[in-house]
Amino acid sequence: SAVISQKPSRDICQRGTSLTIQCQVDSQVTMMFWYRQQPGQSLTLIATANQGSEATYESGFVIDKFPISRPNLTFSTLTVSNMSPEDSSIYLCSSKGTGTNTEAFFGQGTRLTVV
Amino acid sequence: SQQGEEDPQALSIQEGENATMNCSYKTSINNLQWYRQNSGRGLVHLILIRSNEREKHSGRLRVTLDTSKKSSSLLITASRAADTASYFCATVNTGGFKTIFGAGTRPFVKA
Repeated sequence: SAVISQKPSRDICQRGTSLTIQCQVDSQVTMMFWYRQQPGQSLTLIATANQGSEATYESGFVIDKFPISRPNLTFSTLTVSNMSPEDSSIYLCSSKGTGTNTEAFFGQGTRLTVV
Repeated sequence: SQQGEEDPQALSIQEGENATMNCSYKTSINNLQWYRQNSGRGLVHLILIRSNEREKHSGRLRVTLDTSKKSSSLLITASRAADTASYFCATVNTGGFKTIFGAGTRPFVKA
């Protein structure tokens, strides 16, 4: 599977500020996915990002809070806007190969702490 | 979680013993996958089982799938201390493309 480089790996941010997380894939992929993992919890899908169209958000997530860019087939960003301590989580980007029965592969995650 | 639940959520086992984790899901699926995560880092894919398969093996891992009960199990044989991690099942729904995760199980293997 392809390799995803995600940065930053961790950050401590002040409440009210925004953080942009970047993911670079070493090959072209059609879809990229962004997940949030709150402390001690599982992964929750935030949105699906396709090139050339607006991201599709899951229930409970909105574009104003989590704007996503997908300028080409190897890159995507997720911004966590107007942060509060409740946004403290690990954020992971992901993609998968073509075909129905292919596994997902992940970046190493961004551990965000909002103070 | 967005898809289903796993049990147990925490598991303590002795090194050398077998560890079994179960997963249930809610919808019709294309496949079910198991992942491992060490200390809140990125996820490592372990095994994928298709909806028309009932059992699959990979090394010390054995996965079963019962689509009639919408459940799966992951068996790790001869557990090692290095197997201590979080394990998640995830599904791709029929006709879908999103990978949706269960709640996870966190076994602790005692030396």
